This record gives sequence, C-alpha cells and structure tokens, in this order.
Amino acid sequence: NAGVMQNPRHLVRRRGQEARLRCSPMKGHSHVYWYRQLPEEGLKFMVYLQKENIIDESGMPKERFSAEFPKEGPSILRIQQVVRGDSAAYFCASSPVAAVDSSGNTIYFGEGSWLTVV
Amino acid sequence: SQQGEEDPQALSIQEGENATMNCSYKTSINNLQWYRQNSGRGLVHLILIRSNEREKHSGRLRVTLDTSKKSSSLLITASRAADTASYFCATVGSQGNLIFGKGTKLSVKP
Repeated sequence: NAGVMQNPRHLVRRRGQEARLRCSPMKGHSHVYWYRQLPEEGLKFMVYLQKENIIDESGMPKERFSAEFPKEGPSILRIQQVVRGDSAAYFCASSPVAAVDSSGNTIYFGEGSWLTVV
Repeated sequence: SQQGEEDPQALSIQEGENATMNCSYKTSINNLQWYRQNSGRGLVHLILIRSNEREKHSGRLRVTLDTSKKSSSLLITASRAADTASYFCATVGSQGNLIFGKGTKLSVKP
C-alpha cells in the first residue's frame, strides 16, 4: 500500500509564476489536508478537503492560493503569482476518516514539496 | 492559531541520556498525538494518547497526558544519534484537521 505521494518534491519558480503541487492520498483515503512549513517552524494548517468538497480553508491565504480534490485524480494546491514569502515546504496528509471523528486513527503525511521562489 | 506549544524549543543531549519534551494545549481534546520529523522529510506518527489515558508506552517512548493542566510530555529513553529530529505534538481542531505546535528540535550527540 503506497503512502501519500507528493510531487514534485522540489520546485523552483520565479516571482510571478504559478506553482502547482500534487498530492495522491493513500488508497482508500478520502480526506486530504495541506500544511505549510516555514524554515525552523512547525506545520501550519492550510486547508482540509474531502472528495470534491472543501471542508475547512481557514488557514488558506485569501488571495493567490487555491486547492481542489476532484473526484478523480490527485489533490492540487495552486499558488498563483508566487512571491518570495511563499518559499516553504508544503505537506499533504490523508486519512480514511476525519481526524475529529477518529477514536484513534491517525493521518499519514507525504514527504513534502519544497517550493523555492527566486 | 497554534494549539500545541512545545518546550524546550531545542534540546541537545548525549547518546544514552533521556530526552523529555513537553507540550501544552489550549482547548479540550479527544486525543493528543506526537510526530517526528527528520530534517528535510515528512512527519512520522509516533504515538497517540487518548484523553482518558494518563500514560502510554511504545518501545523507548513514554507519553504522559495531564488533561487538568492541558499538557503532555514525551520521554525518549536511552537516546541514540538516530533520534536526532524535530518532535511535534498535535491536537485535533473542530473541523477535523490536526493542529501542530512549533516543535522541539532534538540533537543527540554520539
């Protein structure tokens, strides 16, 4: 059973370009979470999606950032017109049920996508 | 906003010593989880402790939970150089997402 797959692992973009980060959850997982990690900091929640629905996007910047999790295919985190401050590691995680409904299930993380904006 | 806050922020010990990391949180919880992150890698789940549990063991890991103080601790016994990593506690937000603290960076010197 493959784990959470993220690609690309490393991405370099010039200021003003678009970045697309992909996440394929573990098989059978319909809940996907995106987190951002700045250097030397913890993970900051961005968005929580279930198939075709955004459940909670309270951590997403209001502009330039969007996320989707279509019925078929991976979840996509899209950053338009990137700026240097977007440089970070972006982690995706998945779970079979919502963490808040879980009595013990954990969520599983991918290895991250490192975005560098030059 | 951060739910869990770990301390210390950084900890440096010698191989063989024990390492203790603490975590405080703000709201009521169903469970609290600890994760490990090696440099440049993703997070790996270590252990989950439920709100009705006070202590839990897994190998060289021991986790305690004090819901009255809203705090948890992670103890790594007989540390090894391979334990060098950042350690995060996490609680579950109202919408189902995990909320992480800033982490403790552990360095174990051989």
